[in-house]
Amino acid sequence: DVQLVESGGGLVKPGGSLRLSCAASGFTFSHGWMNWVRQTPEKGLEWVGRSKSKTDGGTLDYAAFVKGRFIISRDDLKSTLYLQMDSLRSEDTAVYFCTTDLGRPWGSMDVWGQGTMVIVSS
Amino acid sequence: DIQMTQSPTTLSASIGDRVTITCRASQSISGWLAWYQQKPGKAPKLLIYRVSSLERGVPSRFSGSGSGTEFTLTISSLQPDDFATYYCQQYNRWYTFGQGTKLEIK
Repeated sequence: DVQLVESGGGLVKPGGSLRLSCAASGFTFSHGWMNWVRQTPEKGLEWVGRSKSKTDGGTLDYAAFVKGRFIISRDDLKSTLYLQMDSLRSEDTAVYFCTTDLGRPWGSMDVWGQGTMVIVSS
Repeated sequence: DIQMTQSPTTLSASIGDRVTITCRASQSISGWLAWYQQKPGKAPKLLIYRVSSLERGVPSRFSGSGSGTEFTLTISSLQPDDFATYYCQQYNRWYTFGQGTKLEIK
């Protein structure tokens, strides 16, 4: 079965850092475009950023609100996606999901992980 | 940024009803539209991609249509498992989600 499992969430103080991981299984991870999406009751679902597959250029793209604070990386040998979050703010409090298009050509977010909660609070 | 606006925000319906949810994009998205279903405490689940293509395993009572900037998700005959929140998403330029439509039991 295709599965994405996020980890690394927790409570962090404003200005602090956190690294999220997303372990993938059941599909060829290196072929997939991977995304981070977050969700809050106030703003709903928000795209955070994307990692394209190396065969499609390996580009990293980010939402404007990231503003250099977050970095996405991937380890295709470990089938794992990462989100390094620095300079965290209270408004970054959310459930963070990783998603994949499974390498299929139509670009939608075909599979989602269960999410990991990030709370930024003093 | 492309904005996605769903209507209605909340929809009350009964088992067996036909329901339609509308999603409007602030500019043309060239058919790069998906619909997701989310239940409380769970991740969103892909239902439809490319406006009208049904994801594998999704019941055929779900269908999508539209073009340009106006799109609809239709559930032909509501089942108990369908009461959830539905989101549209454009992926023509980056990714933007609608604010969601909560489908409730009448």
